[in-house]
Amino acid sequence: DTAVSQTPKYLVTQMGNDKSIKCEQNLGHDTMYWYKQDSKKFLKIMFSYNNKELIINETVPNRFSPKSPDKAHLNLHINSLELGDSAVYFCASTLRGSYYGYTFGSGTRLTVV
Amino acid sequence: QKEVEQNSGPLSVPEGAIASLNCTYSDRGSQSFFWYRQYSGKSPELIMFIYSNGDKEDGRFTAQLNKASQYVSLLIRDSQPSDSATYLCAVTPPNTGNQFYFGTGTSLTVIP
Repeated sequence: DTAVSQTPKYLVTQMGNDKSIKCEQNLGHDTMYWYKQDSKKFLKIMFSYNNKELIINETVPNRFSPKSPDKAHLNLHINSLELGDSAVYFCASTLRGSYYGYTFGSGTRLTVV
Repeated sequence: QKEVEQNSGPLSVPEGAIASLNCTYSDRGSQSFFWYRQYSGKSPELIMFIYSNGDKEDGRFTAQLNKASQYVSLLIRDSQPSDSATYLCAVTPPNTGNQFYFGTGTSLTVIP
């Protein structure tokens, strides 16, 4: 019954590796986001997709590549991981134009060693 | 610029007191304002949203919006230890298609 589910919940990997995080929502929302939360709790937008189309692409290294196979899924692939990529990554979704806020996934804690 | 500012705290209040959390935003045309609560190690959860000037009450929570002063606040009455968390203010500036800009959050501790 989870509304927005992310996998994995924890990810520990070495520098230079490539990893993916998956997100799925069953709320019927049409817009999905990736946010990065640093150690100071600041939530920064990375990407947004509306109906599988990229609509927001903030200043993020091109090692980060999102992919939305359909409007219920948004994945994040990260190449050549660096120490500074360590953070919690949150997926979120909403219905565009509804103004009722986002629903967040449970987060993926990425640790690069 | 689409800045959202919050005092990072920590803010400590005794149990039963009123906790007051403040947020200012830079984009005067911002339309929607949200308060999220985030417990340590958990994801943010929506507790209040407000669109119009004035107060909006929901149980022990009251959101206050003053668009002229570009200020939104959250009051928590009869604070409980379970209210201890980080509170995030989020704003949707105009022409951003529902995109949220978050403040850095205020850490609240309610002391029993």
